[in-house]
Amino acid sequence: LAKTTQPISMDSYEGQEVNITCSHNNIATNDYITWYQQFPSQGPRFIIQGYKTKVTNEVASLFIPADRKSSTLSLPRVSLSDTAVYYCLVGGGGYNKLIFGAGTRLAVHP
Amino acid sequence: ETGVTQSPTHLIKTRGQQVTLRCSSQSGHNTVSWYQQALGQGPQFIFQYYREEENGRGNFPPRFSGLQFPNYSSELNVNALELDDSALYLCASSLGFEGARYEQYFGPGTRLTVT
Repeated sequence: LAKTTQPISMDSYEGQEVNITCSHNNIATNDYITWYQQFPSQGPRFIIQGYKTKVTNEVASLFIPADRKSSTLSLPRVSLSDTAVYYCLVGGGGYNKLIFGAGTRLAVHP
Repeated sequence: ETGVTQSPTHLIKTRGQQVTLRCSSQSGHNTVSWYQQALGQGPQFIFQYYREEENGRGNFPPRFSGLQFPNYSSELNVNALELDDSALYLCASSLGFEGARYEQYFGPGTRLTVT
């Protein structure tokens, strides 16, 4: 599975838009890009998944450029409850093994 | 629809002992994966079961073993516990095993402390 690189931590304020970028230079043709959110002492929760271009759901948007070597998770108008660790994962084909990196710790301040 | 549940919530064991953790998958999900998450780190893949067969394994020694039952619930067994086995153990279920295409639904985890 492709290795991913994302910032260790980010800070934001309530009401702002937060963009977290993930690099995955070795992404394979059949790989999908998936983001998970994790709160302390809880299991990760699926946020969004995409293959190319842009995907949007009720909580986030995922931007994927044409070369797919990076992706950006966009959280509109964050609130204090968005304080969590966000993981970018890349994979596809074969068995459903998810390789988590260290993730990005997002802190939202009042 | 019932989500993924795990038991027990917390567990304290002594080094050298054996432990069994349990997971009930979400209704309709035939694939269960187990992860170990040490404090401050991302989850590490242990293994996956698809329709009662082990379908992939991470870099964990054989003393980590598992089972999946006909109702797709699963167990994680760890023998000869070591202090480094102290972690949050997560179970995730999904509709299929094909790559990372299927959304994985995680349970709340079991916090294991080895003393």
